[in-house]
This record gives sequence, C-alpha cells and structure tokens, in this order.
Amino acid sequence: AQTVTQSQPEMSVQEAETVTLSCTYDTSESDYYLFWYKQPPSRQMILVIRQEAYKQQNATENRFSVNFQKAAKSFSLKISDSQLGDAAMYFCAYRRQLAGANNLFFGTGTRLTVIP
Amino acid sequence: EAGVAQSPRYKIIEKRQSVAFWCNPISGHATLYWYQQILGQGPKLLIQFQNNGVVDDSQLPKDRFSAERLKGVDSTLKIQPAKLEDSAVYLCASSAGTGNQPQHFGDGTRLSIL
Repeated sequence: AQTVTQSQPEMSVQEAETVTLSCTYDTSESDYYLFWYKQPPSRQMILVIRQEAYKQQNATENRFSVNFQKAAKSFSLKISDSQLGDAAMYFCAYRRQLAGANNLFFGTGTRLTVIP
Repeated sequence: EAGVAQSPRYKIIEKRQSVAFWCNPISGHATLYWYQQILGQGPKLLIQFQNNGVVDDSQLPKDRFSAERLKGVDSTLKIQPAKLEDSAVYLCASSAGTGNQPQHFGDGTRLSIL
C-alpha cells in the first residue's frame, strides 16, 4: 500500500524568506505522480505543483519548486519569497499511474505560518 | 469555468440520524471522487466514480455509507445512521478522466455529530 509521510506538523517562515516542506512516501511502483496541495481555511484543496516520477527534472511553478529524489522516495516543496497568502495547510499526495483507480493518497499535512 | 460545487457547507446532526451531501462536478468531468478528511489528517478516499459506475469503494463503510451518481453527473453521499467518528469534512473532487488529468476539489461539507 502507498503511504505518504509528512514529518513536520508545523512550520513558520518570515515573509520574503524561503521555506522547505518535507515529504517521504513508500511505494513498490516505478511510475506514479506526486503532488503538493494547499488548503487554506476555506477548505478547498488547491493544486500547487505536480511531478511525474519518470521525469528527472524537478518541477517548478513560479515561486514553488520541488526536490524530487526518487531513490530516496523524497519529495520536498520549496517556497521562495514567501508571502502572507502562502499561509495554509500543505499536503503532499501520491497517485498511481494506472488507469482506473487513481485516487490520491495524502500525508497528514504541514501547517505553514508566514510571519510579517 | 465553474468549479466543483458542494452543499451544504456545514451540517450538524445528532448521532444515529441520517445526512446527505451533494456534489456537482465540473462540466464534462467523467471522474468523481468523495474524500473524508478527519481533523488533523489528510483526505482519504471513500469512493470513486467513472461516469455512473463505481471504480473503487474499498474504503467506504458500506454498512452506513452509500453514494450514487445518477446519469453520470451529480453525486450524493449519504450516511445512515451517523456515528460520532463520522465528524469530518467531506470533499468532492472531479477530473476529466483517470489518466494524467488533475483533480479539482470543492469547498467541502463540514459535518459535526453531537
């Protein structure tokens, strides 16, 4: 079974600084997708960034980038130039590449606080 | 493009009562998911539909939970009878297919059981 572990329940960062959120996962599959989702108090899960396991290049989306280490099964999120609007719960998620049952397996989340 | 719509936003009931949640996915999205998010945890899949057929309901407590997606569009999730441990946020998500398409989430329904 796929498991996703986020070992940092809470993190804080000064506005305009950089923060890295950690995620590890366990799987026996070679092809899969990894995601970071943001969940503000409004509860809607918002996709931040996505990584395909077959791609060696780390994904980037503006101020958000990942460090994907497939052998170590590690998938960390780096937020640069942190903004007040980045404050939220961040969830790391795994999805199988198989057609059909492709639901997301989520970690327990990291609460990010941005200090003005 | 309108997002995934869910209602109600909040619901408070007593244990052993029944409750139903409604979800309207993004137009044209064939795949619909219901997730349960207990406080302090990440969402966990309850059931996945492809059009109006069930793809995965292995984590759905079928003795009390049921879900349907008539006509392959809207979906309802029902709990009968509710237990205290069912207190959670129920999230609906949809995607254009089961391949590489991302899942889009609604705002969820927060259920409190007294």
